[in-house]
Amino acid sequence: DGGITQSPKYLFRKEGQNVTLSCEQNLNHDAMYWYRQDPGQGLRLIYYSQIVNDFQKGDIAEGYSVSREKKESFPLTVTSAQKNPTAFYLCASSTSGYNEQFFGPGTRLTVL
Amino acid sequence: QKEVEQDPGPLSVPEGAIVSLNCTYSNSAFQYFMWYRQYSRKGPELLMYTYSSGNKEDGRFTAQVDKSSKYISLFIRDSQPSDSATYLCAMLNTNAGKSTFGDGTTLTVKP
Repeated sequence: DGGITQSPKYLFRKEGQNVTLSCEQNLNHDAMYWYRQDPGQGLRLIYYSQIVNDFQKGDIAEGYSVSREKKESFPLTVTSAQKNPTAFYLCASSTSGYNEQFFGPGTRLTVL
Repeated sequence: QKEVEQDPGPLSVPEGAIVSLNCTYSNSAFQYFMWYRQYSRKGPELLMYTYSSGNKEDGRFTAQVDKSSKYISLFIRDSQPSDSATYLCAMLNTNAGKSTFGDGTTLTVKP
């Protein structure tokens, strides 16, 4: 089955620890995205990548980092510099930056 | 001011009602328009993807785009309890290669 997978579904971390969220796609999509969603709010763009080995900051990149070493993978690291990391994180991909996006199931991160 | 404004809701309707969900936008670089449905604690699911002004129909769903007024709508006919979800509009900026999302409207369809 083609699709986007995110793992884990739920993640708990202590304050001050870095944590990496996984996103993998087997759709052969060039572009990948990370969003953050807080309760009652829409999606805010953290980082996006339109091609391997290249990525751009979104609207709320502070405290986050990404890498794009492989076409199918776009991991997101939530660093200790992120002041309020508890949120629902969504990964998406599209054929290119000029097409509709398809989403993974999300990872709910809770920082204790 | 946000680039995309979505009617906030929440919206509660009886089963069988016609539902109208609406978004306005201010950025003329938005050229493609999408509607997503998101069930609680799940990833958004693409419902409609449109470009031109006018209507696009898919089953019980109709997406309407008015580029001159910078206004888009999603209509749901014969609404069902399974339509209960949060609906997100999204606008694709083809110059930047990224999308901007509305805050979502939560719909409840009561049996």
